[in-house]
Amino acid sequence: DVKVTQSSRYLVKRTGEKVFLECVQDMDHENMFWYRQDPGLGLRLIYFSYDVKMKEKGDIPEGYSVSREKKERFSLILESASTNQTSMYLCASSPPDGINTDTQYFGPGTRLTVL
Amino acid sequence: AQTVTQSQPEMSVQEAETVTLSCTYDTSESDYYLFWYKQPPSRQMILVIRQEAYKQQNATENRFSVNFQKAAKSFSLKISDSQLGDAAMYFCASSMDSNYQLIWGAGTKLIIKP
Repeated sequence: DVKVTQSSRYLVKRTGEKVFLECVQDMDHENMFWYRQDPGLGLRLIYFSYDVKMKEKGDIPEGYSVSREKKERFSLILESASTNQTSMYLCASSPPDGINTDTQYFGPGTRLTVL
Repeated sequence: AQTVTQSQPEMSVQEAETVTLSCTYDTSESDYYLFWYKQPPSRQMILVIRQEAYKQQNATENRFSVNFQKAAKSFSLKISDSQLGDAAMYFCASSMDSNYQLIWGAGTKLIIKP
């Protein structure tokens, strides 16, 4: 089974702090994704990566950056956390074409509260 | 722009009965994938069922089946013999072109009445 882990289930930070959310997958997946989930708004894509050191902006990249130095790890960075970034953050990964193409596998999520 | 629409924000069903969740999508692609995901309260998002658009046969997974109407761009999820553990948010999603992204619906909250 695919396993996607996220560094924290719950996180509380203060406004202005730099925040790192880590995601690790163990299935050698090419593609990794960071979403933000808010009630009534579904899943919104922040960034995704289709290879090491590659990244693409999603629908709501403002205020976020990402890093992918190793294939299995995809980090989401909030350079200066703000209260409107309080949310649930979901990480996902998906395999290359030909094997369950486009199927995304999710981590447990990190509920971030910014005070 | 590609879109996925779930018109039912919330549905409820009596335990052991059957419920159908609706999803419509809009795409110009000829080959794509459709998904239903389940997110139980405070738990992980998991894949329920996956349909390949070029396959006419509807996908099934135990009590979960889909009614895929390609011409109508409709992809509904039927849950038979509903169980208390089926209570969750259900999200419909569609793959888009070739950049590995999925387009997501807003979700349907399914309530199971004991």
